[in-house]
Amino acid sequence: AQRVTQPEKLLSVFKGAPVELKCNYSYSGSPELFWYVQYSRQRLQLLLRHISRESIKGFTADLNKGETSFHLKKPFAQEEDSAMYYCALKGAGEYGNKLVFGAGTILRVKS
Amino acid sequence: KAGVTQTPRYLIKTRGQQVTLSCSPISGHRSVSWYQQTPGQGLQFLFEYFSETQRNKGNFPGRFSGRQFSNSRSEMNVSTLELGDSALYLCASSLEGGGNTIYFGEGSWLTVV
Repeated sequence: AQRVTQPEKLLSVFKGAPVELKCNYSYSGSPELFWYVQYSRQRLQLLLRHISRESIKGFTADLNKGETSFHLKKPFAQEEDSAMYYCALKGAGEYGNKLVFGAGTILRVKS
Repeated sequence: KAGVTQTPRYLIKTRGQQVTLSCSPISGHRSVSWYQQTPGQGLQFLFEYFSETQRNKGNFPGRFSGRQFSNSRSEMNVSTLELGDSALYLCASSLEGGGNTIYFGEGSWLTVV
């Protein structure tokens, strides 16, 4: 079964501190992993995906197949990073566009 | 270009009624998916349509149904509404093929009283 686990409901850090939002997944094949972000009163939007191996807004995420993890990291948090973050999985090669989401983590960056 | 558009944005219905929600995908996108978002269950996949055919379905009762039109616009219907159906219903669209970004609409807030 496909499952995405985000163990923290809320992560509160001070501005300038490092951030790590945890994501673990369960999938028998090769998944595509994504991080989506939802800022206050805005729509859900893609932050980054593992196949791109890019850094967006200072965030990076590396797929670790051994640990089945896709943690989201940023070295120095900014207040504008405060939002709800969702980790999501899509079965690579699966027919269609079905995403399985984790429960989400609220990131609160304090000044 | 315009994003995914959902109507209505907010609605209140009574238990037992039925509701239809509409979604216009981004121009050129033929894949349309629906998700239910609640505080307790989070984001859950309802179904996906492509070229007017349902090709993926989540674990929801038959009261939840949908369809897609030839212009890729989609509707979802919930019949015999229950209090637990109160949620934000999100529509998402995408180009066909792996690696394409899935774009979400702002959602339709449904309250069942």
